[in-house]
Amino acid sequence: NAGVTQTPKFQVLKTGQSMTLQCAQDMNHNSMYWYRQDPGMGLRLIYYSASEGTTDKGEVPNGYNVSRLNKREFSLRLESAAPSQTSVYFCASTDSFSSYEQYFGPGTRLTVT
Amino acid sequence: KQEVTQIPAALSVPEGENLVLNCSFTDSAIYNLQWFRQDPGKGLTSLLLIQSSQREQTSGRLNASLDKSSGRSTLYIAASQPGDSATYLCAVRPGWGSARQLTFGSGTQLTVLP
Repeated sequence: NAGVTQTPKFQVLKTGQSMTLQCAQDMNHNSMYWYRQDPGMGLRLIYYSASEGTTDKGEVPNGYNVSRLNKREFSLRLESAAPSQTSVYFCASTDSFSSYEQYFGPGTRLTVT
Repeated sequence: KQEVTQIPAALSVPEGENLVLNCSFTDSAIYNLQWFRQDPGKGLTSLLLIQSSQREQTSGRLNASLDKSSGRSTLYIAASQPGDSATYLCAVRPGWGSARQLTFGSGTQLTVLP
């Protein structure tokens, strides 16, 4: 049982480049989330998808876009990367029809130079 | 706005001690509370989930309690081991909202000395 998977694990971008972070879950969960984690700032919600076909902004959405491709997959896109987006990005999912227990992926460590 | 506080920020104990990590939250209208463990450079691993109607949950050497009325939860770790060294985060989920996003504490960094 893979749970929540994320690709890539590491990425280095130059300022202005774009990239997409991929996330998939195999637990048939309805809701999916993207967070960033920075030293001293804790975990901050970027975007979430309450169910397939819906997405909403979280606490820090500027500079990001998301796509809920299907029930399993939720991608995060950086259109024009900035050094302030250097962070560790985590994807998570929750079964919103049951316990609402949240599961996290292993993270993507992104550096923007 | 919900605020979650974890005290202390860091804790160092000798192996074998029993210890308690604290989590407090300002809004008692929660759906559940979840404790996570995070090892350096890794993702968050769910340890225990307590629904708002429950008082405690146990898993092995871990016991989490919830007092909704006072806005507090504790994570009790019995007979601590060096392998328990990690950052422990608590997070509360509101009793409303379409996705009921979690609000996280800033964590307690635990070091268990051999």
